[in-house]
Amino acid sequence: EVQLLQSGGGLVQPGGSLRLSCEASGFTFNAYEMNWVRQTPEKGLEWVAYISPNGRTAYYAKSVQGRFTVSRDNAGNSLFLQMHSLRPADTALYYCASMNDFVPGWGQGALVSVSS
Amino acid sequence: DIQMTQSPPSLSTSVGDRVTITCRASQNIIVHLSWYQQKPGKAPKLLIHTASTLLSGVPSRFRGSGSGTDFTLTIDNLQPDDFATYYCLQTYSTPPYTFGQGTKLEIK
Repeated sequence: EVQLLQSGGGLVQPGGSLRLSCEASGFTFNAYEMNWVRQTPEKGLEWVAYISPNGRTAYYAKSVQGRFTVSRDNAGNSLFLQMHSLRPADTALYYCASMNDFVPGWGQGALVSVSS
Repeated sequence: DIQMTQSPPSLSTSVGDRVTITCRASQNIIVHLSWYQQKPGKAPKLLIHTASTLLSGVPSRFRGSGSGTDFTLTIDNLQPDDFATYYCLQTYSTPPYTFGQGTKLEIK
């Protein structure tokens, strides 16, 4: 069974940085692409970032391009999202997710609040 | 980027009803469409992938159909556990991926 355990999140001032982590178990982590998705009551679910199984390819939503970086440590079965230059509009519940059809799974979510 | 238009935003329904939710893509996504169910305080849960393939363990009253740009999630004989918010997700080609706006099923 896919399990994704998230950590990180919290309150940060505008312009600040934060790092989210996601520890995977129950599947062959290094074989699957991973994603970050965020959710707000106003905008619903928003895909944020994708990383390929070997970590060499990443894609980002336009809203975070240049500020967020997705990475992974396949030896440690972990996924990361480094967030810089945070804005109030980045306030959301962030999920790590395997959106693969055959090994689907989502983390429990981490709340990121950007406010002064 | 591909836009997904999901409707209706909400639906007031009763146990035993049949419900239909639609998603329309702004371009041909073949069958790269998934349906998720989300309950309050929980992460989304995959129900259907590749437009019509039910995940193991998902009740057969859930049915997905469509291809190209028009997709439908049908729930027959609605059960109390089905009252939740449903989202479609397109994963055609390379990202960006796009979710629909969501449909909240409420008890009438």
